[in-house]
Amino acid sequence: AQTVTQSQPEMSVQEAETVTLSCTYDTSESDYYLFWYKQPPSRQMILVIRQEAYKQQNATENRFSVNFQKAAKSFSLKISDSQLGDAAMYFCAYRSANAGGTSYGKLTFGQGTILTVHP
Amino acid sequence: DAGVIQSPRHEVTEMGQEVTLRCKPISGHDYLFWYRQTMMRGLELLIYFNNNVPIDDSGMPEDRFSAKMPNASFSTLKIQPSEPRDSAVYFCASNTRDRANWLYGYTFGSGTRLTVV
Repeated sequence: AQTVTQSQPEMSVQEAETVTLSCTYDTSESDYYLFWYKQPPSRQMILVIRQEAYKQQNATENRFSVNFQKAAKSFSLKISDSQLGDAAMYFCAYRSANAGGTSYGKLTFGQGTILTVHP
Repeated sequence: DAGVIQSPRHEVTEMGQEVTLRCKPISGHDYLFWYRQTMMRGLELLIYFNNNVPIDDSGMPEDRFSAKMPNASFSTLKIQPSEPRDSAVYFCASNTRDRANWLYGYTFGSGTRLTVV
């Protein structure tokens, strides 16, 4: 079974600065997707960024980018020019793309990292 | 589309009572997932359906929990009898089989916050 680990329960950053959230995962599969979700106090789950495992190029969405290291099974999220609205819980998640696998279709989440942004 | 719709948004019930949570997935989505979120255990997958058929219910904690999907537009998660340790936020999410849509992840509902006293 796949596991996702976020080793930083809490992180903080000054407004306008850059912060990196860590995520590692364990899998024996070669084809999968990785995601970062944001959960603000409203508790809505918001997709921030995603990465296809077969793509070597790191995904970027405006101020958000990832550092995807497939061999190391690492998938960190970098937030540049942090804003007060970035304060939230961030979840890393894994989804198998193996149609024959038992975990096909489901997302496995890490424990989450609470990000605080200081003005 | 209105997104994934869950009801109620909040539920407070007494221990021993039956609780039913409801979910309407996005039209055309053929996967539906029920997750539970607690501080201690994070986000746990309880059960998921594909084309209304339960595929994996290994995350359902006990026989007190049951889930149904009678049609493509409706699912319920029932707890009977409820206990204080069931207090959590329960999310429903939906997605499609179309791999081109997987890049968009799941669409989550707003969740139901259940408090059992």
